[in-house]
Amino acid sequence: GAGVSQSPSNKVTEKGKDVELRCDPISGHTALYWYRQSLGQGLEFLIYFQGNSAPDKSGLPSDRFSAERTGGSVSTLTIQRTQQEDSAVYLCASSLSSGLAGQETQYFGPGTRLLVL
Amino acid sequence: GEDVEQSLFLSVREGDSSVINCTYTDSSSTYLYWYKQEPGAGLQLLTYIFSNMDMKQDQRLTVLLNKKDKHLSLRIADTQTGDSAIYFCAERLSEDSNYQLIWGAGTKLIIKP
Repeated sequence: GAGVSQSPSNKVTEKGKDVELRCDPISGHTALYWYRQSLGQGLEFLIYFQGNSAPDKSGLPSDRFSAERTGGSVSTLTIQRTQQEDSAVYLCASSLSSGLAGQETQYFGPGTRLLVL
Repeated sequence: GEDVEQSLFLSVREGDSSVINCTYTDSSSTYLYWYKQEPGAGLQLLTYIFSNMDMKQDQRLTVLLNKKDKHLSLRIADTQTGDSAIYFCAERLSEDSNYQLIWGAGTKLIIKP
């Protein structure tokens, strides 16, 4: 597609339920990132995928959070047993990740707004 | 640890210049970025500057970098209502960490008529 897309755009769930958030990166981008943005906060890095390499999961806040990237393209972020503090906007970005200025630029999707009641 | 700080709000009159400031702590920054987030939209890259530059201009946008003081600014000339958004400053630390960006909390630009 022309840009990074995410679905759903909004998700309301009850505490304790599992949720899945989807990201479709820009075609040809090998790198994919998940961030969390809480109200009035900067972006919090969650996880990074680069090609077929093992993902960098160092930003995941707990073992309730996991992510997959199938076929080097679409990614799913799963939050199990959601808590109210998980409420935030979850942003996905992709990049060519060649390391050269301008080419590693991250292009963001519109985000999924998650509200846990 | 690394930190990027910005004021949370900036209010300017339409037609005036807006100057959004950002300070960072890590002197090993290689690139510094400005992203714009409009309501309900994703982040959009506005511009970036390499750490060996002190100024970059792109139409109404001017980026100034004072590496000694670790201070970055974004000037928007002739601010318009369409410039209303949250502006995020981010730094990339080293050539090897091409994915590791440290983000500020964002400055909300409010345009007064």
